[in-house]
Amino acid sequence: DTAVSQTPKYLVTQMGNDKSIKCEQNLGHDTMYWYKQDSKKFLKIMFSYNNKELIINETVPNRFSPKSPDKAHLNLHINSLELGDSAVYFCASSLDRAAGNTIYFGEGSWLTVV
Amino acid sequence: DQQVKQNSPSLSVQEGRISILNCDYTNSMFDYFLWYKKYPAEGPTFLISISSIKDKNEDGRFTVFLNKSAKHLSLHIVPSQPGDSAVYFCAASVYGGSQGNLIFGKGTKLSVKP
Repeated sequence: DTAVSQTPKYLVTQMGNDKSIKCEQNLGHDTMYWYKQDSKKFLKIMFSYNNKELIINETVPNRFSPKSPDKAHLNLHINSLELGDSAVYFCASSLDRAAGNTIYFGEGSWLTVV
Repeated sequence: DQQVKQNSPSLSVQEGRISILNCDYTNSMFDYFLWYKKYPAEGPTFLISISSIKDKNEDGRFTVFLNKSAKHLSLHIVPSQPGDSAVYFCAASVYGGSQGNLIFGKGTKLSVKP
């Protein structure tokens, strides 16, 4: 049973396209995250949702729009893709928003923009 | 502005010997530290954590040491096994904070040779 699952795992697309990455967790957690690992290998938070409510929104271009239809799902939609968006995107979840909770990561989605 | 630094991008160790992975941080507000392990094509998985009220936490072959005055922590793996070969990320947060996001280092790739 995959606790945090995200699809697709690999995505190659052209500049200017719009794409979505879906994420689901079956852990019953209240809080979900999107992290980005760029070419320099930094793993940085992009967004955090708690019970479908946005609580963290780092300085991410507004081409990136997270959507949480329910607390078990947090999808990431990216408009007008650019070359610099190529990265690995990790979905994650934790019991709640308090620091100190273990964060569980999905396997990652490898996005390549050509 | 790297708040969490792992200055060694890679480390090679012989099987059975000790592996020592180092991490430095700059934000004195951090009081909760974690190590994550990541295999290729998988998401990071939680390994061990330590809060600032302790200077050592041990879990089987893994021990994390925290030196608050030096803003330094280290992960010791003994004895090292080939299956430990992975990228290890150090992460930090403010325990009890309202936001559960972690600040990650760039990771250290550990190779354990048989």
